[in-house]
Amino acid sequence: EDQVTQSPEALRLQEGESSSLNCSYTVSGLRGLFWYRQDPGKGPEFLFTLYSAGEEKEKERLKATLTKKESFLHITAPKPEDSATYLCAVHLNTDKLIFGTGTRLQVFP
Amino acid sequence: ETGVTQTPRHLVMGMTNKKSLKCEQHLGHNAMYWYKQSAKKPLELMFVYNFKEQTENNSVPSRFSPECPNSSHLFLHLHTLQPEDSALYLCASSHSTGTSNQPQHFGDGTRLSIL
Repeated sequence: EDQVTQSPEALRLQEGESSSLNCSYTVSGLRGLFWYRQDPGKGPEFLFTLYSAGEEKEKERLKATLTKKESFLHITAPKPEDSATYLCAVHLNTDKLIFGTGTRLQVFP
Repeated sequence: ETGVTQTPRHLVMGMTNKKSLKCEQHLGHNAMYWYKQSAKKPLELMFVYNFKEQTENNSVPSRFSPECPNSSHLFLHLHTLQPEDSALYLCASSHSTGTSNQPQHFGDGTRLSIL
């Protein structure tokens, strides 16, 4: 069965304290992987697409990486405005999109 | 306007009411989606439309009835809902289904509460 697991479920960081969020998957055929950010009361906002193992994408303090089994979202020197829920979604060869349950990140000043 | 717009943002209804959710996208996309988001659960895909044709119904109860009159508009008609249907309903759009790795873009959702 195709499955996507995100960890940790919640993460509290001090401003400037770098960390990583994990998205692991067991799927039948991977076409790509998406990262989204979701703020309270808002819909998911697209961040990155990763296509193949070894690929990396960066945007401001965020860097996403992909291996054959998992993806990481690295947050370098986070700020309070980075607080949000981060969702990953695996795009299968069948065109189906499977979401994880998200990591809720809180960054304190 | 740009992006994906959903109305209303909040809806409270009784179990016997009939209401509709509306979604409009200004991105020139051809595929539109309805998702249900409940606390601590992954987004659940409900329906997919590609070029106005329904291509997926993910075993959704008939009390949810989608309508896609054109590639820019999507509706979700609701009737005789149950308390467990209370959730955030998200609409998304993408270039088209089957297009390699084009991301879906989401609206801000309708928060639905069933009394």
